[in-house]
Amino acid sequence: KAGVTQTPRYLIKTRGQQVTLSCSPISGHRSVSWYQQTPGQGLQFLFEYFSETQRNKGNFPGRFSGRQFSNSRSEMNVSTLELGDSALYLCASSLEQNEKLFFGSGTQLSVL
Amino acid sequence: GQQVMQIPQYQHVQEGEDFTTYCNSSTTLSNIQWYKQRPGGHPVFLIQLVKSGEVKKQKRLTFQFGEAKKNSSLHITATQTTDVGTYFCARAAGGTSYGKLTFGQGTILTVHP
Repeated sequence: KAGVTQTPRYLIKTRGQQVTLSCSPISGHRSVSWYQQTPGQGLQFLFEYFSETQRNKGNFPGRFSGRQFSNSRSEMNVSTLELGDSALYLCASSLEQNEKLFFGSGTQLSVL
Repeated sequence: GQQVMQIPQYQHVQEGEDFTTYCNSSTTLSNIQWYKQRPGGHPVFLIQLVKSGEVKKQKRLTFQFGEAKKNSSLHITATQTTDVGTYFCARAAGGTSYGKLTFGQGTILTVHP
């Protein structure tokens, strides 16, 4: 069974631009969650989706948004990029509530 | 609030020495999960502890959940260079959440051969 797939692997953008990241969960997993990882703040929860509905949202500005499609694939969007948005963005899928997460390899976003 | 504090932040050991990282919460945890992230990699699930006082072993790794369910530890016996990485504990949000975890800051383990 294929793991969690994230694209692209690397991305370079400039301030003010917007970016869309994609995530395909493990087959059969209907839950997708997103995390931001930085050296200073560590792993921080962005949001989670289940059956196309956002279940929870972390403490991030409205520039960060996401959605989930009927096939469970998910996208997250960051608008009006800031330098501080440079981070590794990780997507994870899970099968059961409050159970283990399976992470993708992440998208390394650099904002110049 | 819902934070989990993890110590130490860094640990340097000689190969063959033991290693322990600790995770503490001011509130009771429904469960605690442990993940390992290799340099340049992504977090990989190691184990989940649910019961008070629970102890689980995976080869050289021993995981414990405190009696009061407010702390946990991961102990590695006789470290190897393959143990290098960052070890995270994480608490689940509970309720109807599937993927909302609050991670500790992690312990970066370096093993010198």
